[in-house]
Amino acid sequence: AQKVTQAQTEISVVEKEDVTLDCVYETRDTTYYLFWYKQPPSGELVFLIRRNSFDEQNEISGRYSWNFQKSTSSFNFTITASQVVDSAVYFCALIFGSSNTGKLIFGQGTTLQVKP
Amino acid sequence: DTAVSQTPKYLVTQMGNDKSIKCEQNLGHDTMYWYKQDSKKFLKIMFSYNNKELIINETVPNRFSPKSPDKAHLNLHINSLELGDSAVYFCASSQLDRLEAFFGQGTRLTVV
Repeated sequence: AQKVTQAQTEISVVEKEDVTLDCVYETRDTTYYLFWYKQPPSGELVFLIRRNSFDEQNEISGRYSWNFQKSTSSFNFTITASQVVDSAVYFCALIFGSSNTGKLIFGQGTTLQVKP
Repeated sequence: DTAVSQTPKYLVTQMGNDKSIKCEQNLGHDTMYWYKQDSKKFLKIMFSYNNKELIINETVPNRFSPKSPDKAHLNLHINSLELGDSAVYFCASSQLDRLEAFFGQGTRLTVV
């Protein structure tokens, strides 16, 4: 089965705390692509990152970092020193390599609330 | 300079009506998509077109019909609207060999 699970439905933190959003995926394919998207209260979906299955390097972009571990089929997202503007729904998603269609399979989303 | 734009942003209509949502992208991408986001925020693909050719048609009622007049446009027409069609519909585009999809701002459809 091709599946993405975000077990945390809602997380609430106080500003400046670090927070990690979990993502676990299932796929039979050896080639696949993982994504994170952000959906702020205004409703649009914003692309954050893409990771290829053959590249296990972790990535840091400002306060955002991503930890990809094939051994545990996880692609977790950490926000350091969270800010109120980080409040949003975050989606992890998967494209499996054999699809050749660009079809995104989304997790259920994690709602992050950052309180001042 | 909106990359993926869809209109209208809000659509309120009565059961049984027919409505269309339009989508345009100026990114030069070769593939466009329609996704549906339900009331629990779950996102699921409906259709995809690559260079005007339908490549994904998920299990969607045939009251929903996509149309792609050219590779920069993908419209969604819905016939005989039902209460259960109420959702947010997102258009997206990508270059198939790059994969990251860019989304429009969504159309919130409310059927009353």
